[in-house]
Amino acid sequence: NAGVTQTPKFQVLKTGQSMTLQCAQDMNHNSMYWYRQDPGMGLRLIYYSASEGTTDKGEVPNGYNVSRLNKREFSLRLESAAPSQTSVYFCASSGTKFYQGSYEQYFGPGTRLTVT
Amino acid sequence: AQSVTQLGSHVSVSEGALVLLRCNYSSSVPPYLFWYVQYPNQGLQLLLKYTTGATLVKGINGFEAEFKKSETSFHLTKPSAHMSDAAEYFCAVSGEYKLSFGAGTTVTVRA
Repeated sequence: NAGVTQTPKFQVLKTGQSMTLQCAQDMNHNSMYWYRQDPGMGLRLIYYSASEGTTDKGEVPNGYNVSRLNKREFSLRLESAAPSQTSVYFCASSGTKFYQGSYEQYFGPGTRLTVT
Repeated sequence: AQSVTQLGSHVSVSEGALVLLRCNYSSSVPPYLFWYVQYPNQGLQLLLKYTTGATLVKGINGFEAEFKKSETSFHLTKPSAHMSDAAEYFCAVSGEYKLSFGAGTTVTVRA
């Protein structure tokens, strides 16, 4: 049981390049999330998917897009990377449907992205 | 809307001393509250959670937290710090579809 996995672990991009961060969970969870972590700011929600087939914006969605490929997989795409997107990105999943109130989320190991 | 404030971005304790990390929350509905720990270069790991029922919650690695509705607080404690407790700790409150995290508190443990 791997939990939540993310690829790649590290990435360096030049300004304007694009890339997709991959996330998969094997816990049969309904909800999945993408966060970014910056020093002194905690974790900020970029996008979430309450259930398969739905996605919604979080606090900081500008410059990102997401795809809930199936129940297991939730990808995050940067279409034109900017230095302000240098961050650590975490994917998480949760077993409870959002309208019932969130329960604990399980996190992947993160992707460390640098945009030069 | 839900929010969390963690008091103190850095806490330094001696090995064997009490660890106390403060968290105050704001929520328009009965909250679910969480403490997560993040070791260097790793993801977040759940320490403990409060949903309903007993207000003193015990977690992993000897940590516990007490939910105090009157004070809107959920402080994390451990009676005796160990070197392995050096990490960053995040308090979080649950909303309808997401968790709102505090800015984090970094704990260093002095030998």
